[in-house]
Amino acid sequence: AQSVSQHNHHVILSEAASLELGCNYSYGGTVNLFWYVQYPGQHLQLLLKYFSGDPLVKGIKGFEAEFIKSKFSFNLRKPSVQWSDTAEYFCAVNARSNDYKLSFGAGTTVTVRA
Amino acid sequence: GAVVSQHPSRVICKSGTSVKIECRSLDFQATTMFWYRQFPKQSLMLMATSNEGSKATYEQGVEKDKFLINHASLTLSTLTVTSAHPEDSSFYICSARHRGLPEAFFGQGTRLTVV
Repeated sequence: AQSVSQHNHHVILSEAASLELGCNYSYGGTVNLFWYVQYPGQHLQLLLKYFSGDPLVKGIKGFEAEFIKSKFSFNLRKPSVQWSDTAEYFCAVNARSNDYKLSFGAGTTVTVRA
Repeated sequence: GAVVSQHPSRVICKSGTSVKIECRSLDFQATTMFWYRQFPKQSLMLMATSNEGSKATYEQGVEKDKFLINHASLTLSTLTVTSAHPEDSSFYICSARHRGLPEAFFGQGTRLTVV
């Protein structure tokens, strides 16, 4: 079964700072990778996803992520954060061989100070 | 695009009663539905996977007699929390997937409070 590790539990930064959230997964086969965001008191929203092709994926709200197969990583980045990016961020992975069950990382709380 | 609707969004029930949560795929056929549980400030934990027309597969540690899952049609799955207790209070989230597609789409979640 696959597992997902998010390195940062809580990140605090100021508006306009750059953000990078780490995500590593453990699985030997072909995977699909996702980043989700959950704003306070709200439901999950998909930020971006990677299935195949260009390893640099652009998502909504100015986010992007890079899949590095050799490092089993799928880090999320945003060049300049806004106060409205304050939220919980989840990395997730699934695989066809595991019936596409999504495994989630523990999540990273991002707090952006105005 | 693919829309998954979950109902109700919030429910409060008395201890010992049962609560049913519905998950509907509005514009596609959901051959597989997943049910998750999220405690405050924690990640989503998969509870069970249901394929249309067959029994749900539960993850280890999830009581199948307590969390009854039905997936009788290609657009509807239900989760019934039976004999609910305060420790069952949580955020329950469903997702739905069409056969052949790698992505599942999430419902808005149901916040269950058992008093």
